[in-house]
Amino acid sequence: LAKTTQPISMDSYEGQEVNITCSHNNIATNDYITWYQQFPSQGPRFIIQGYKTKVTNEVASLFIPADRKSSTLSLPRVSLSDTAVYYCLVGSNAGNMLTFGGGTRLMVKP
Amino acid sequence: KAGVTQTPRYLIKTRGQQVTLSCSPISGHRSVSWYQQTPGQGLQFLFEYFSETQRNKGNFPGRFSGRQFSNSRSEMNVSTLELGDSALYLCASSFRQLDSYNEQFFGPGTRLTVL
Repeated sequence: LAKTTQPISMDSYEGQEVNITCSHNNIATNDYITWYQQFPSQGPRFIIQGYKTKVTNEVASLFIPADRKSSTLSLPRVSLSDTAVYYCLVGSNAGNMLTFGGGTRLMVKP
Repeated sequence: KAGVTQTPRYLIKTRGQQVTLSCSPISGHRSVSWYQQTPGQGLQFLFEYFSETQRNKGNFPGRFSGRQFSNSRSEMNVSTLELGDSALYLCASSFRQLDSYNEQFFGPGTRLTVL
C-alpha cells in the first residue's frame, strides 16, 4: 500500500480557500486517491475521490498532476464548521481495507 | 436511508473483562469493516466481513475477533481487555463491488474505556 505524507496541521480563516497537499510517491497504477473528513468523536466521512487530473463535487476539488505522485484537496471558502481532520488515502479496491495516515488537522478561525 | 449504527456508544470495562460491540450497516450493504482509533496509533484497520466471512484482517492480536450475521449486522469481540484497548471503535459499511472503489460509510463509533 502506498504511503502518504501530509501536513500535520493547518490554520485558516473563514472565507478563505484551503489547499491541503498529500504526497504519495509510491502510488500504483490502479490506485485511487481518496479524501476523508473526520470531526471529533465521529467516524470519517468520504469527501472526494479521483484517479487523475481534476475532480470537483459540491464540497471540494481534487487536483492530481500527471505523475500522480501528489494530490491537492481544495476547500473553497471554508467556514468554522470545516474544522476537522482530513485524511488522504491511496489504494485500490483492496477489500475495503482503508489505510489511514496521520491526517491534517485543519483549524478554521473566525 | 438510515446510516450505520453502532451500539453501545459508550462503554466502560475493567482489565481482564471481555466486550462485544455491535454494528448495523446501511441497508443493502454487505461489507462491514472495523477500525480502532487511538490518539497514539491513529485509525487502524481491524478486519472486514463480507457475506458472513472474514475477508481481510489487520495486524491485531487474536483477542480481537468478529463475526457477521446473515442480515449483514456485525459484532466484534475483545477478550481479556487491556488498558491499551481503550479507543474509539468504528464500523464502516459498503457495497463492496469488486471492480470499482467502494466508498465506506462510517458509524459514530463506540467509545471503549478500560480501567
